[in-house]
Amino acid sequence: GENVEQHPSTLSVQEGDSAVIKCTYSDSASNYFPWYKQELGKRPQLIIDIRSNVGEKKDQRIAVTLNKTAKHFSLHITETQPEDSAVYFCAASMEEYGNKLVFGAGTILRVKS
Amino acid sequence: GAGVSQSPRYKVAKRGQDVALRCDPISGHVSLFWYQQALGQGPEFLTYFQNEAQLDKSGLPSDRFFAERPEGSVSTLKIQRTQQEDSAVYLCASSLDLAGPSTDTQYFGPGTRLTVL
Repeated sequence: GENVEQHPSTLSVQEGDSAVIKCTYSDSASNYFPWYKQELGKRPQLIIDIRSNVGEKKDQRIAVTLNKTAKHFSLHITETQPEDSAVYFCAASMEEYGNKLVFGAGTILRVKS
Repeated sequence: GAGVSQSPRYKVAKRGQDVALRCDPISGHVSLFWYQQALGQGPEFLTYFQNEAQLDKSGLPSDRFFAERPEGSVSTLKIQRTQQEDSAVYLCASSLDLAGPSTDTQYFGPGTRLTVL
């Protein structure tokens, strides 16, 4: 089955700097890649997603890139703010499997002010 | 509108007790998923419903775990004879899943934190 690896496990950046989190997946049939942000004790919240028919998607300070050939995708956060501090999870899914998500292990992002 | 809700938010059970966790998906959402999230880990898939039909239960860790969605709306995850390794946060997610862009986005509930003593 699908396996998703996520790096780094923790990331500390200075406020205003950029943060990059990378994920790799194993099954080339995966075609949907969402990113979720989870604050302590809260529900995972979708922040951005990308499908396999595009290579990049941007929403204000957040962008995601996808390399289907290498089977990896990355989250980019620019101009980081203290409220960006949270755990970020990448995930992958294949439509024919009822869209169940296979998650990475998560990245703890700390933005220091 | 209202998001996905789950109850109870916290549950403490003695080893061997049965527990029932409830999920109220977003109204009209066709698909419902249960995930298990261990401390410091990403959510792991347990089971999936399309309306009232349980189409995938490959992630259920043992036959002590049972899920149902009898009317295609509210779902219950039941764990029989709980064990310490069942301690985790149980997340429910729903998605609209109709024809059209972005209808497969999964919206998560706040989770139920289960602690088995």
